Amino acid sequence: DAEITQSPRHKITETGRQVTLACHQTWNHNNMFWYRQDLGHGLRLIHYSYGVQDTNKGEVSDGYSVSRSNTEDLPLTLESAASSQTSVYFCASSESLGDRLGYTFGSGTRLTVV
Amino acid sequence: AQTVTQSQPEMSVQEAETVTLSCTYDTSENNYYLFWYKQPPSRQMILVIRQEAYKQQNATENRFSVNFQKAAKSFSLKISDSQLGDTAMYFCAFVDSNTGKLIFGQGTTLQVKP
Repeated sequence: DAEITQSPRHKITETGRQVTLACHQTWNHNNMFWYRQDLGHGLRLIHYSYGVQDTNKGEVSDGYSVSRSNTEDLPLTLESAASSQTSVYFCASSESLGDRLGYTFGSGTRLTVV
Repeated sequence: AQTVTQSQPEMSVQEAETVTLSCTYDTSENNYYLFWYKQPPSRQMILVIRQEAYKQQNATENRFSVNFQKAAKSFSLKISDSQLGDTAMYFCAFVDSNTGKLIFGQGTTLQVKP
């Protein structure tokens, strides 16, 4: 069965370190998204991609970067981790823009920056 | 800017009773999709129900139904015959069909009491 997987599930890192969160989907979806979830804010969009070599900034992109070298993967990199980036991160994918079927989500990565 | 607002941070309901979660949104688009997602303690994002804005008929999925008021930009979720397994955080979300971005509300934590 097709799926979207995130790794690791939990991670603790130190302030200033570079961290990469993995997202891999086997749906063959062109559109992929990264969100962060914080209490009182819901899920906020960090970066998104419409296809290979395409990346776009979301509403909370500062301090984060992504790259899309193939259809399946959209890794999220924190260039220099800060305590404010402690959060739960979700990757999602969709078949088309405004996908009436909704979006497929990974199970999330809980990142703690100490 | 397109926004989604959930004004009830927390709600509780007795098992077998009915509860309604509120959601309002703001957009200048005419065609769009709305969703309710459920997030249990497992952290997984589960699509509960979706509504297409061009359809006047309210969507229904078993015990879950929506009250979609397009003119008022309101999209509430009604859960009938509440079950303990309905305990979760619920997110209202709106799809920007031009960009494919899924915009979330802040979430409502629902507790079903035995």
